[in-house]
Amino acid sequence: DQQVKQNSPSLSVQEGRISILNCDYTNSMFDYFLWYKKYPAEGPTFLISISSIKDKNEDGRFTVFLNKSAKHLSLHIVPSQPGDSAVYFCAASGDNAGNMLTFGGGTRLMVKP
Amino acid sequence: ETGVTQSPTHLIKTRGQQVTLRCSSQSGHNTVSWYQQALGQGPQFIFQYYREEENGRGNFPPRFSGLQFPNYSSELNVNALELDDSALYLCASSWTSGRPYEQYFGPGTRLTVT
Repeated sequence: DQQVKQNSPSLSVQEGRISILNCDYTNSMFDYFLWYKKYPAEGPTFLISISSIKDKNEDGRFTVFLNKSAKHLSLHIVPSQPGDSAVYFCAASGDNAGNMLTFGGGTRLMVKP
Repeated sequence: ETGVTQSPTHLIKTRGQQVTLRCSSQSGHNTVSWYQQALGQGPQFIFQYYREEENGRGNFPPRFSGLQFPNYSSELNVNALELDDSALYLCASSWTSGRPYEQYFGPGTRLTVT
């Protein structure tokens, strides 16, 4: 039973354009959502997060949108850069003060120069 | 500020053997979580340690056990290894004040069970 799903295993965009990565969840108890980026041979790196009391959080080129009614969140990267090429994981928490992160399967983003 | 470190980087073990993986937390962090990442999947939560005690556990059997030491470093022990235990094992540290949800990961230990 996958509580967090990333339905697109891969995404390819041109440098300078917008990248949109999507994530769906089923557990209505989740109240905090995070995006992590992972390069090969490295651990996941925290990127941006959003609390369920908000519907948008922005940090530089990265914006996360949360639609609670649809149980959907998305990460927008504008403008996309070749260095953004990595695997992006969506994660959610809400169980017992965040002691457990539930991850999606990841989306591999390729930004072409 | 020192990040999360893990050792060893790679490990090959035989089915039925036991393995110990090690993790040093980022300085200032007092909570350690362990995750298993199978090929092509997202990380799965194994358990978390806070103040040297288990503070939450995912859907993993008891042959997965851990320790946290007074300096907040941690070990993951797996007994009676199975082929399906082959995965990348990630350690993540965080602190209980502020945002405990934001966990900071080490580079992982790649375990291969043959």
